[in-house]
Amino acid sequence: GAVVSQHPSRVICKSGTSVKIECRSLDFQATTMFWYRQFPKQSLMLMATSNEGSKATYEQGVEKDKFLINHASLTLSTLTVTSAHPEDSSFYICSASGRAWNSPLHFGNGTRLTVT
Amino acid sequence: DAKTTQPPSMDCAEGRAANLPCNHSTISGNEYVYWYRQIHSQGPQYIIHGLKNNETNEMASLIITEDRKSSTLILPHATLRDTAVYYCIVGALDNTDKLIFGTGTRLQVFP
Repeated sequence: GAVVSQHPSRVICKSGTSVKIECRSLDFQATTMFWYRQFPKQSLMLMATSNEGSKATYEQGVEKDKFLINHASLTLSTLTVTSAHPEDSSFYICSASGRAWNSPLHFGNGTRLTVT
Repeated sequence: DAKTTQPPSMDCAEGRAANLPCNHSTISGNEYVYWYRQIHSQGPQYIIHGLKNNETNEMASLIITEDRKSSTLILPHATLRDTAVYYCIVGALDNTDKLIFGTGTRLQVFP
């Protein structure tokens, strides 16, 4: 089945630094990728929709200058958390949609970000 | 906001069928019902989806009511590894629409 790979799985960074998370579709071309964030004991919250070759669409309340999204190819989207702060510590998850009609979204295994 | 409502938690004995309900009374005609599950500290795993007919695959069965306002996910023989949070989500046919997660049902399978 379709596989979405996310890297790294865990990252610890110091406050004020930036962290890049990669999301790759391994066996299909992803025209659209979605980025979610999940805090402990909560559900997934959609952050943004990333379309290949165009600017990402951010959900209300998500700072586009802080969470930079790039979707430069049909198999790769990146999320960069800029000037990270401890409150950005969370579980970040991407999902990807292929071109096939009626194809469900597949999710990566998430990235656990800890900002110290 | 999520378009679905689910009970917050359910228990099921190992080997028995787990029936997880979901209400989606405002579902549109072009929206599918998707089910995912999330095991602790992992990304959501796709289980099954359907439009109006009942569906079955190697993981589960999906029963959708005729008016499409509710559905039930059935795990026919639950195992301990099925313990997870199960999310019922409605989404558009063309799969470019975003999926909004509700709070899900925490299924606990016990020995």
